[in-house]
Amino acid sequence: DTGVSQDPRHKITKRGQNVTFRCDPISEHNRLYWYRQTLGQGPEFLTYFQNEAQLEKSRLLSDRFSAERPKGSFSTLEIQRTEQGDSAMYLCASSPVSNYGYTFGSGTRLTVV
Amino acid sequence: DQQVKQNSPSLSVQEGRISILNCDYTNSMFDYFLWYKKYPAEGPTFLISISSIKDKNEDGRFTVFLNKSAKHLSLHIVPSQPGDSAVYFCAASQGAQKLVFGQGTRLTINP
Repeated sequence: DTGVSQDPRHKITKRGQNVTFRCDPISEHNRLYWYRQTLGQGPEFLTYFQNEAQLEKSRLLSDRFSAERPKGSFSTLEIQRTEQGDSAMYLCASSPVSNYGYTFGSGTRLTVV
Repeated sequence: DQQVKQNSPSLSVQEGRISILNCDYTNSMFDYFLWYKKYPAEGPTFLISISSIKDKNEDGRFTVFLNKSAKHLSLHIVPSQPGDSAVYFCAASQGAQKLVFGQGTRLTINP
């Protein structure tokens, strides 16, 4: 197991385009989290799944954002009609249930031009 | 509202000395606290944690102190080494749910 994998590592897109990111968690981890980090800030919670169920969504996750975790394995985060304010590092993490320690992936850096 | 705050954006320490990173929180329901370390172009990596029922946890050169009455925790690194240069985030959780992170402190260890 190589840890949490995120793809792509970098994405440059034009404003108004849709983008999709993928996260592959550690295989035995039930929980999967998405965070967003902007320059000079800590990671901000977006949403999390326990198996395939999406248990919580932040108010930061506008209607343009959607996340899925089909079959409780990998997850995708889609941003529709991207805006310049969406430029950030998108981090995925996974953990076993009832374990406070996350394992993070290396993130996907999104730049909207 | 910023429930977890790291008020020092940066800290510079001489190699071999002690580094002390501070973190304050406002939510008294937090029951678990963690420190993460982040290098550029990588995701945060877990460093050390502490439960709210303890006031100290030690792991090698790293010690975390928790003062519940003051809603304050700190990370001590001694002795500091050049490889410790990174951004450090404190985080807090309530009931094994999501983590709430501070803004981070950039630690620079000078030779």
